[in-house]
Amino acid sequence: DTGVSQNPRHKITKRGQNVTFRCDPISEHNRLYWYRQTLGQGPEFLTYFQNEAQLEKSRLLSDRFSAERPKGSFSTLEIQRTEQGDSAMYLCASSLGGGSAEKLFFGSGTQLSVL
Amino acid sequence: AQTVTQSQPEMSVQEAETVTLSCTYDTSESDYYLFWYKQPPSRQMILVIRQEAYKQQNATENRFSVNFQKAAKSFSLKISDSQLGDAAMYFCALAWGTSYGKLTFGQGTILTVHP
Repeated sequence: DTGVSQNPRHKITKRGQNVTFRCDPISEHNRLYWYRQTLGQGPEFLTYFQNEAQLEKSRLLSDRFSAERPKGSFSTLEIQRTEQGDSAMYLCASSLGGGSAEKLFFGSGTQLSVL
Repeated sequence: AQTVTQSQPEMSVQEAETVTLSCTYDTSESDYYLFWYKQPPSRQMILVIRQEAYKQQNATENRFSVNFQKAAKSFSLKISDSQLGDAAMYFCALAWGTSYGKLTFGQGTILTVHP
């Protein structure tokens, strides 16, 4: 068990550029979640997958945000045409199964700074 | 809508002493779970303790225990015998429905532990 891995750890970009973050979940976990955390706030749920199926994406902040999990393993979160308000930490978490015993394991996040 | 409120932005405690972090929540759901997560400077969220709403007995996990007052919608965390390693941001969170990984977080409480 190597834990949830997120890359890159930090990303600095210029306004208007596209960025992509990667999340590698714990290998046997079938659920994967993306959260956004702004400075001094709690994480905010964005979207989640069960295997390769995206079960909820209504919380994605705008149509500039998209996420994929093509083979039910790693996931990517893309932000197109970045804005300064997108600056935040993007957290990924994974879990095994659903149900009441579901326990999330979080990665260390990708810190995005939009200049 | 589900909301979680942490009214203490910062708390401090002396090493070996006890501290209580407060959390209130609001939900119209009858079946839900409550959590306390810890986020140290490494940024990785770690589950501290969880409570099923249908259970009257308060959850305990070693030095960590909760006071769950369902009618008052209150869920406080008590840390006994505080250690330097307990210093972190603590988040209260709520989950319900088909995914217990889809969490609503409070704003967080920064806990400082003084030697």
